[in-house]
Amino acid sequence: SQQGEEDPQALSIQEGENATMNCSYKTSINNLQWYRQNSGRGLVHLILIRSNEREKHSGRLRVTLDTSKKSSSLLITASRAADTASYFCLHSSNTGKLIFGQGTTLQVKP
Amino acid sequence: NAGVTQTPKFQVLKTGQSMTLQCAQDMNHNSMYWYRQDPGMGLRLIYYSASEGTTDKGEVPNGYNVSRLNKREFSLRLESAAPSQTSVYFCASSAIRASAGELFFGEGSRLTVL
Repeated sequence: SQQGEEDPQALSIQEGENATMNCSYKTSINNLQWYRQNSGRGLVHLILIRSNEREKHSGRLRVTLDTSKKSSSLLITASRAADTASYFCLHSSNTGKLIFGQGTTLQVKP
Repeated sequence: NAGVTQTPKFQVLKTGQSMTLQCAQDMNHNSMYWYRQDPGMGLRLIYYSASEGTTDKGEVPNGYNVSRLNKREFSLRLESAAPSQTSVYFCASSAIRASAGELFFGEGSRLTVL
């Protein structure tokens, strides 16, 4: 399978702590995107980072991309209970194929 | 602005029955996609339509057919449902190729095949 890998598969933290999840991929990419999925809902786009970018911020989110290691990380700072969700990376290869990671389930305890 | 709308939200079928999942988007997007989501498997692409009038197979197309009825609508048909098709199905759309921009997802259709 060409699916990307994410780790950890599950993460449980206290409110106010930071959460970091990682995504690795196997092919060359054009960009990499992160999505959030609340339980029983569809996926919502969070942030896109292009292959020529190394870091990107959006509010409490920070995404890094290391193309030499074929990996990306998503950092959520000062987490809230409302951040409880599953997080998926999506990468697009140079051939246009779209590949989702298997997701990280984040639980933020109040 | 409804975004991406999927129907039905829930469906139970018996093995061998057929059904069609409907998807419509009101964002004037060119590209539309059908994914299935299974526990521990993430999302896998079944079929996609890069533009009106075109459809292409994704990673797991066997047992499915699609129709891009017009720019707004993209349907997924199961001709003879099998228990292995029990899953949550998501429709998505993007303004341009998803390789260049974000996907907008519907809320999902939960299908159980007995």
